[in-house]
Amino acid sequence: DIVMTQSPDSLAVPLGERATISCKSSQSVLYRSNNRNYLAWYQQKPGQPPNLLIYWASTRESGVPDRFSGSGSGTDFTLTISSVQAEDVAVYYCQQYYTTPPYAFGQGTKLEIK
Amino acid sequence: EVQLVQSGAEVKKPGESLKISCECSGYTFSNYWIAWVRQKPGQGLEWMGIIYPGDSDTRYSPSFEGQVTISADKSINTAYLQWSSLKASDTAMYYCARHSSAGSHYNWIDPWGQGTLVTVSS
Repeated sequence: DIVMTQSPDSLAVPLGERATISCKSSQSVLYRSNNRNYLAWYQQKPGQPPNLLIYWASTRESGVPDRFSGSGSGTDFTLTISSVQAEDVAVYYCQQYYTTPPYAFGQGTKLEIK
Repeated sequence: EVQLVQSGAEVKKPGESLKISCECSGYTFSNYWIAWVRQKPGQGLEWMGIIYPGDSDTRYSPSFEGQVTISADKSINTAYLQWSSLKASDTAMYYCARHSSAGSHYNWIDPWGQGTLVTVSS
């Protein structure tokens, strides 16, 4: 089974500054026949279900602010928030959907405002 | 609009059985995989398993195989998660969510239900 590992576990960023979250998979989630990375990012605010931010590692879901971006390929991925806003306080999860199940999530990264 | 509406919070005793539901609307229920995800208090997301309502094909995480049963009823567009004998360690929020593309589970999950809180305590 693929294991997803995020870092850091938590981070505190001043308003307006950049936040970077890393996600590493224990094996590649790049499907070479279509050159797509089978990785998604979700945001979970307190008391709410997770919300899809990004899929195919870098495609922003409709309605997601453009300060959120995803990058990376193979086993190493990054979620970047270019200018952190107060409403971005949440826990962020990556998830692979490459292999047959289980479709593991990372352990989550908690973003707070400094 | 695609919607997944889950059943309400439950309080149960250890050893009791339970079946929670996820009523889906706004799309052809039979054609999309439904996932179940557990979140223990203060912890992260755990992928439990999926079901394809069209033929009830079901896949489980090894961590949950034999511990829960996932099912679906096409006639009422509803997926289920059930336990035959609950433990205190089953206390958690449980989410259902739909895979994004018809006929395949090799894709992201969206949207999600609002969650069902299950509390198991003597």
